[in-house]
Amino acid sequence: DSGVTQTPKHLITATGQRVTLRCSPRSGDLSVYWYQQSLDQGLQFLIQYYNGEERAKGNILERFSAQQFPDLHSELNLSSLELGDSALYFCASSATPKDGKLFFGSGTQLSVL
Amino acid sequence: GESVGLHLPTLSVQEGDNSIINCAYSNSASDYFIWYKQESGKGPQFIIDIRSNMDKRQGQRVTVLLNKTVKHLSLQIAATQPGDSAVYFCAENILPYPLGGGADGLTFGKGTHLIIQP
Repeated sequence: DSGVTQTPKHLITATGQRVTLRCSPRSGDLSVYWYQQSLDQGLQFLIQYYNGEERAKGNILERFSAQQFPDLHSELNLSSLELGDSALYFCASSATPKDGKLFFGSGTQLSVL
Repeated sequence: GESVGLHLPTLSVQEGDNSIINCAYSNSASDYFIWYKQESGKGPQFIIDIRSNMDKRQGQRVTVLLNKTVKHLSLQIAATQPGDSAVYFCAENILPYPLGGGADGLTFGKGTHLIIQP
């Protein structure tokens, strides 16, 4: 158990809908990362937060947004969903943004039908 | 193409043998590399990391080798066990200091599936 909690584990929705994925980092970790994993693109970095502030952005679509709350949990919002958004979404945390040792949650499997 | 890739998508080894998983990177300025292991139904798990000022680093049953001349990274697993069956990813940090040097902007390769034969 990595200590990172993601909910829900599975999500099935329709095109055009909006969903929210939730992540609780490991106790004490200030940095949260979101990754998207698909068969054709591999593990893609989306966005990183550190202590409530956005720190780095990767290949995150404009339809997607995220935030980190004062209690350090994070949410990834995906809107106007398309079939191609179906993927496994991982949250990871680390103690500091310079710490390369990430602890990953078990992921949320999103299926857009 | 992506800057971090793997030579073989699938590697099959006999239980008890040593495994070597390879990874190529394209950015000579990369200074931090990590290996992660992902078992079926789980998130990636940190195995070992190495910085560009080192050629070799050892952990428990694992060794990472870095050859900066040919921009090649490898993960060696000694005495492979059934529990080693997983997809192994190498990751590279391509952001310059002070933005990089850690997990910021890590780029992951597509992964190598290690299969252990009994």
